[in-house]
Amino acid sequence: EPEVTQTPSHQVTQMGQEVILRCVPISNHLYFYWYRQILGQKVEFLVSFYNNEISEKSEIFDDQFSVERPDGSNFTLKIRSTKLEDSAMYFCASSVQGVGSPLHFGNGTRLTVT
Amino acid sequence: AQSVTQLDSQVPVFEEAPVELRCNYSSSVSVYLFWYVQYPNQGLQLLLKYLSGSTLVKGINGFEAEFNKSQTSFHLRKPSVHISDTAEYFCAVSDPSGGYNKLIFGAGTRLAVHP
Repeated sequence: EPEVTQTPSHQVTQMGQEVILRCVPISNHLYFYWYRQILGQKVEFLVSFYNNEISEKSEIFDDQFSVERPDGSNFTLKIRSTKLEDSAMYFCASSVQGVGSPLHFGNGTRLTVT
Repeated sequence: AQSVTQLDSQVPVFEEAPVELRCNYSSSVSVYLFWYVQYPNQGLQLLLKYLSGSTLVKGINGFEAEFNKSQTSFHLRKPSVHISDTAEYFCAVSDPSGGYNKLIFGAGTRLAVHP
């Protein structure tokens, strides 16, 4: 069964550094998402992406964050200048359609900012 | 604002016993409801979803959930659990404010199945 893959599984970075989290969504999916889960807290929506543009973003997704689909397969999340509070598990997801279509999640990237 | 409450952070249960994981949501409009499961070191996997129609929804691994609009609940049930069901379970809701694309998750319920 096709799956969403995320790399790396664990990323350690120093505060203030830029980090790029990578995702390969399922090939025929059209909608892409990033969620994050701070340890011990809820899974939170960050951003949704469709037709090469952001369709919705949360208040968490400020100017430090950006997403890109640089080619036909990858979907990346960039954090320009990481803060300690960015430490979390970041999940990429994709879906065939938007409304009601189930999201398929990757296994996540654990980001640790020191 | 949309919110999801999972009333139990942890549910211990013996193998082959029935289990119910509770989920309540707040919304004044039509919503879509989902249950996801997360096994250790893995991503979130869809168990089942309610979009419309029959209020009793059957999912994978023998789980089912019932949508109750009057009580704004979507409790997850399984009549007989296995050790392999030990995982974290997340209830989620989407609504028109997010174009039904944005999932709002509950805090999760950790199901621990004991032999």
